[in-house]
Order: sequence, then structure tokens, then C-alpha cells
Amino acid sequence: DADVTQTPRNRITKTGKRIMLECSQTKGHDRMYWYRQDPGLGLQLIYYSFDVKDINKGEISDGYSVSRQAQAKFSLSLESAIPNQTALYFCATSVGNTQYFGPGTRLTVL
Amino acid sequence: AQSVTQLDSHVSVSEGTPVLLRCNYSSSYSPSLFWYVQHPNKGLQLLLKYTSAATLVKGINGFEAEFKKSETSFHLTKPSAHMSDAAEYFCVVSPFYNQGGKLIFGQGTELSVKP
Repeated sequence: DADVTQTPRNRITKTGKRIMLECSQTKGHDRMYWYRQDPGLGLQLIYYSFDVKDINKGEISDGYSVSRQAQAKFSLSLESAIPNQTALYFCATSVGNTQYFGPGTRLTVL
Repeated sequence: AQSVTQLDSHVSVSEGTPVLLRCNYSSSYSPSLFWYVQHPNKGLQLLLKYTSAATLVKGINGFEAEFKKSETSFHLTKPSAHMSDAAEYFCVVSPFYNQGGKLIFGQGTELSVKP
């Protein structure tokens, strides 16, 4: 079984809709991250969490929010989706400075 | 400021020939450096990492990378390419102060392997 799972794997939605992407991990790591990937831009950090009570903004947090429901769960929400949020979204966990990534969620906003 | 530059956006090799993917970094201090691979429709998989121990780092699937401080480079190599190596490769730096656990990603190099 995968250590870091993401649901859904693919999602198509319309402008203005609220969307939640979920991430679960069985690695027992305290630190979790959300990234988005756009072609030719590598990955950009949206939010990160060092433990259940610690949430921090990354480089591109505008238009996004997160919830750390438990050590193993970290959700990303788009309150009102817009087309330029169409991207591939990755969740990751870390121990030390080594990060382990989930399989990604491909989100399309029409 | 920390940054990573992957010098080639696309590299094409023939199966059985050597692979070289180039990466230069900029860092005021000794960073940790990583190479990740992303196969189509897959997540990112850690290939190898450098954390100030041996300068030649061996990773999975026959890949290795050499940290050269004087050249600020961390190039990824493999002696003989396999068809399954076709993927996108990311060079990544983690600043030594690890601000927020932030990783800085290069733009990626797409590796194509011809039969």
C-alpha cells in the first residue's frame, strides 16, 4: 500500500465551486505539505504543517486554505475555484529535509 | 538567495548510452541536494540525496550524482540508459536552514530514451 495517498486522483469542476483535495499518510511523519505543479515551473509550495496545531503559508497560498485534521490527514480547499488553479497538486510528508510525495491530483477548473 | 537551474529542458539519448542531466545551484551555505524522478501520471520518487557526507552519491536504478562545490553543480548520471528511464527529472535544493521545510525545485528535465 502507498505511504502517501491522495483523493481524488482526477477532478473536473466549474468556476466558483468549492473543492477539497485530501491527503492521508501512513508514514507517521509530523510534517506535511501541499504543492502545485504547472508545466515548466517545477513545484510551488502552497501550505505546510509541522504538526496538527501548526499551519503555515507557502509561496502561493492565495485562493487556498488547509485543514490538518490529524497527524495523518491534511486537506487542501479551494473556496471558489478559478481556471488558473488548473494544475497538478501534490501532497508530501517529510522526515528531516527529505520529502515523500503522493501520486498527485489532477484538477481542471472550467 | 537559494536557486536551482537545470541546464537542459529536454535530453534525448539512445538505449544503452550514458545519461547526463545537468544541475547548478546557488546557495550561500552548504545545502542538501536531491534528485527526484516523475514518470507520466505518477508522483515524484526520490532518486538520491546529498547531505554533506560523500560527494559521490549513489541512488536507485543505477543513477548517481556528484556534488562539486567549486562548480556549484550536482549533475545526475547513469552509465547506460534503459527505456524505463524515460521520465521528468527534478533537481531540488533544501537550504541548510530548512526554512519551513521548503524545497526549491528546478524547472525539470525531460529525458527521452530511443530504442
